[in-house]
Amino acid sequence: DAGVIQSPRHEVTEMGQEVTLRCKPISGHDYLFWYRQTMMRGLELLIYFNNNVPIDDSGMPEDRFSAKMPNASFSTLKIQPSEPRDSAVYFCASTRTGGYTIYFGEGSWLTVV
Amino acid sequence: GEDVEQSLFLSVREGDSSVINCTYTDSSSTYLYWYKQEPGAGLQLLTYIFSNMDMKQDQRLTVLLNKKDKHLSLRIADTQTGDSAIYFCAEREQGGKLIFGQGTELSVKP
Repeated sequence: DAGVIQSPRHEVTEMGQEVTLRCKPISGHDYLFWYRQTMMRGLELLIYFNNNVPIDDSGMPEDRFSAKMPNASFSTLKIQPSEPRDSAVYFCASTRTGGYTIYFGEGSWLTVV
Repeated sequence: GEDVEQSLFLSVREGDSSVINCTYTDSSSTYLYWYKQEPGAGLQLLTYIFSNMDMKQDQRLTVLLNKKDKHLSLRIADTQTGDSAIYFCAEREQGGKLIFGQGTELSVKP
């Protein structure tokens, strides 16, 4: 089992640029979550999907953020345009219906300068 | 709304027991979790407990759940320097999403 795979692991970008973060959930998992971790706000849920459909996007900060899940094995989180306050660690996680455990990826460490 | 609270810091000596506490607000939570995060790393699931259980033991880890008081604790026996990390408590809502506490930074001194 490869686990939840995220890319890139680290990204440094300039303010105003578009950032795309990618996630491959564990095969067979039908729930996918995007979390953001900052010193100030801790771990926040941004959005989650069930069977590729967004269920709750109330945590998405603003219109600059968008997330898609075109199929069961791939999701993207896009920030356009990026701002320094978006600097954070972005985690993707997955689980299956009825599953006890929620597995996290290693995170994408984003710095916007 | 839902809220999970933890103390921010805990310092212990190597070989002692560590107890990390957590309170939560959602009485309908089905599962409660403990995750560990080492510097620069992701979230590692340590253990979880179902809401109808009082206690769960897994090697050096003991989880106690007081559902009446909505209080969860994680005890680490014989704490080692390798246990130094941030520990997150999380409650799981219906639908699967996790609500995390702020994390407790455990420092283990030799």
